[in-house]
Amino acid sequence: DGGITQSPKYLFRKEGQNVTLSCEQNLNHDAMYWYRQDPGQGLRLIYYSQIVNDFQKGDIAEGYSVSREKKESFPLTVTSAQKNPTAFYLCASDSGQPQETQYFGPGTRLLVL
Amino acid sequence: DQQVKQNSPSLSVQEGRISILNCDYTNSMFDYFLWYKKYPAEGPTFLISISSIKDKNEDGRFTVFLNKSAKHLSLHIVPSQPGDSAVYFCAASGDNYGQNFVFGPGTRLSVLP
Repeated sequence: DGGITQSPKYLFRKEGQNVTLSCEQNLNHDAMYWYRQDPGQGLRLIYYSQIVNDFQKGDIAEGYSVSREKKESFPLTVTSAQKNPTAFYLCASDSGQPQETQYFGPGTRLLVL
Repeated sequence: DQQVKQNSPSLSVQEGRISILNCDYTNSMFDYFLWYKKYPAEGPTFLISISSIKDKNEDGRFTVFLNKSAKHLSLHIVPSQPGDSAVYFCAASGDNYGQNFVFGPGTRLSVLP
């Protein structure tokens, strides 16, 4: 079954700690994305990657880092520099071509202890 | 500055009636639009898309209308069902934004039995 998986479903972060959210896709998509959703707001783009070993900052990249060592995987690290990390994080992927649908994973909720 | 707006945070409709969700955009370079449905604590699921070369696209109970001159699109759901109760996001993309999607803040639809 093709799709996007994210783990864990819930993640707790202590002050000053870095945490990494996993995103894997088996759709053979070139492009992958990380979004953040806060209550009452739309999805805001954190980072995106159009191809392996390359990624670009989105609108709210400060306090986050990513890597794209494999086509299937695009992990997101929330660093201690991110002062307000509590949110719902969504990973997405698409073919990278114009006018193609973007598909989403189930999301990870990050909470600060 | 919000490039994609959904001015109604919430909408309530009786089961069996029509639901109309609206979306406005400011950037005339957007040429592809998607609607997503999202349940709490889950990733968005793709509903329907429309390219700027069309003014209407239909898929079962869902129809999207695009008015390019007004920079406005709407999603019609007929007939509405209780299972349609969710948050609906409008998203837009275009060459000017590197094919990345810009999301609206969402409209929460409640379909009352």
